[in-house]
Amino acid sequence: ETGVTQTPRHLVMGMTNKKSLKCEQHLGHNAMYWYKQSAKKPLELMFVYSLEERVENNSVPSRFSPECPNSSHLFLHLHTLQPEDSALYLCASSHGGAGRGSGDTQYFGPGTRLTVL
Amino acid sequence: EDQVTQSPEALRLQEGESSSLNCSYTVSGLRGLFWYRQDPGKGPEFLFTLYSAGEEKEKERLKATLTKKESFLHITAPKPEDSATYLCAVLGSAGNKLTFGGGTRVLVKP
Repeated sequence: ETGVTQTPRHLVMGMTNKKSLKCEQHLGHNAMYWYKQSAKKPLELMFVYSLEERVENNSVPSRFSPECPNSSHLFLHLHTLQPEDSALYLCASSHGGAGRGSGDTQYFGPGTRLTVL
Repeated sequence: EDQVTQSPEALRLQEGESSSLNCSYTVSGLRGLFWYRQDPGKGPEFLFTLYSAGEEKEKERLKATLTKKESFLHITAPKPEDSATYLCAVLGSAGNKLTFGGGTRVLVKP
């Protein structure tokens, strides 16, 4: 596999379920990201991990819990979600680090379409 | 706070009818301005990164330009396969946060 992969591609869950989204990058990058894309809204950054440490958490509700066990894998654990959490969840990766350069470019996976009933 | 505004929201073009998309931005210390293409139900596909005013980049029928306040994505003689949503984003000096605009939906009719 190449690039950034995400599983599952589609997920339907009830408000009391617990599920996890998985992201894997095959690009040798050091930084990974979770974004939420809702209908008619710009992409919203949720979490940033750099070298497996969480460096940004954009006021995301605690029902979303990220995990980054190594620089190639990123998870988003979901529990007791609300219908308004239905959205496309996108994972991205980049070389990471500060300063100008092609390392800033983020490459996205195909997304997981989540529906909360 | 970084801000990105894209216009128009939607654009309908005839095949071969060239046009431009606008991305206006305010950012603290621009580290890069990014253009992505997104097809329905898919993740954004990277197109270009621009780093400084005056810079231009081209790829097939697409050309991106950058000034200190805005960027343009020019589509020359578009084809139906150029139909997609085009997203603009900026990366500022504070952290790793990409700030996205709302996108421009482009439909090219044969």
